[in-house]
Amino acid sequence: GAVVSQHPSRVICKSGTSVKIECRSLDFQATTMFWYRQFPKKSLMLMATSNEGSKATYEQGVEKDKFLINHASLTLSTLTVTSAHPEDSSFYICSASILAALSYNEQFFGPGTRLTVL
Amino acid sequence: ELKVEQNPLFLSMQEGKNYTIYCNYSTTSDRLYWYRQDPGKSLESLFVLLSNGAVKQEGRLMASLDTKARLSTLHITAAVHDLSATYFCAVAGLTGTASKLTFGTGTRLQVTL
Repeated sequence: GAVVSQHPSRVICKSGTSVKIECRSLDFQATTMFWYRQFPKKSLMLMATSNEGSKATYEQGVEKDKFLINHASLTLSTLTVTSAHPEDSSFYICSASILAALSYNEQFFGPGTRLTVL
Repeated sequence: ELKVEQNPLFLSMQEGKNYTIYCNYSTTSDRLYWYRQDPGKSLESLFVLLSNGAVKQEGRLMASLDTKARLSTLHITAAVHDLSATYFCAVAGLTGTASKLTFGTGTRLQVTL
């Protein structure tokens, strides 16, 4: 149980285009989803927290107009990188959290999406 | 602001040896996680530690938590090559529901034959 998928797993795009990444909780309803980015050989940095039906909360320094997050349902959140540039190239990982007793609010991580902007 | 530090950042060890990775954090927390990450992959959950003095073991890995010292350790016993990976600790904030995680810097473990 507690499986999270991401699509696509890998994407290459041209500079200036927009890219959408989907994060789905496959076998549970996720009250909260998180988006992280990870640069090579670095740690995970939280970008934003999203709750179904409400606006995402962005971490300091993350441009909300550039990284659009939509949490349309309890099983789906999307991250859209708008007008992507080479510096946006990174590994993007989502996680989903179950709000339930004994779940410790644990986050279950997706497999990640590697974005390369040419 | 919660800060999480790990050391060492890089660890090269021979098979069969023991070693410990340390995770220090700056403010009170009620949950600490350890994850493994293989190159090009996402995170694999190893342990969740919920209380002071908690100790968990799985195979050659053992994790412990001292909330008073704000310190967690990941001990590796008789390392094998398959344990080569990057290990992260992550600390949850005390905000209740679906708390944010702050990740440590990571420790890249290389086990040599």
